[in-house]
Amino acid sequence: EAGVAQSPRYKIIEKRQSVAFWCNPISGHATLYWYQQILGQGPKLLIQFQNNGVVDDSQLPKDRFSAERLKGVDSTLKIQPAKLEDSAVYLCASSLGSSGHEQFFGPGTRLTVL
Amino acid sequence: AQSVTQPDIHITVSEGASLELRCNYSYGATPYLFWYVQSPGQGLQLLLKYFSGDTLVQGIKGFEAEFKRSQSSFNLRKPSVHWSDAAEYFCAVAPYGGSQGNLIFGKGTKLSVKP
Repeated sequence: EAGVAQSPRYKIIEKRQSVAFWCNPISGHATLYWYQQILGQGPKLLIQFQNNGVVDDSQLPKDRFSAERLKGVDSTLKIQPAKLEDSAVYLCASSLGSSGHEQFFGPGTRLTVL
Repeated sequence: AQSVTQPDIHITVSEGASLELRCNYSYGATPYLFWYVQSPGQGLQLLLKYFSGDTLVQGIKGFEAEFKRSQSSFNLRKPSVHWSDAAEYFCAVAPYGGSQGNLIFGKGTKLSVKP
């Protein structure tokens, strides 16, 4: 079974530029999560989708971050414009359902904002 | 607010020695509890989870964890560490019975293994 795929694996941009990350979850997984992991910290949830609907985006900085999962399968996370403090690893995870189901994580995208 | 505390930022153990990584949580009820491992450049892998029932849970790679309600703790143990166990370990909680599955992670404990 293929795991969660993410691209790109690494990205370096300058502040005020825009960037987009892509995630393809495990086939059949209805729930998709985006986490931000700053160096030295645990992952922090940014947004949770159930199929193509948003369940929780309370910690997403909506003035600069956006995410979509239009067909209920793959998802994109965008930052526009980027700030220095956005430097982090962005992890995508998926699960069969929400509460109590194991989340499977992708390898992440390491973003460096200069 | 829910929170997870991992008191040890970095632990070094000798290969073959036993290991215990500490985790304390703050939550009004018993949440779902998880331990994940993250190797450099890789995503997180689930080691084990506790939902209910037997408070001693077995996981992959020879790890186990014990839930202690009175101490709000969920410590991870392994009787004999292997060099390949060197990685970062994260404890996480998720609200019990909630409709959302979002995990709240601790800051992690980095494990180094001496030959």
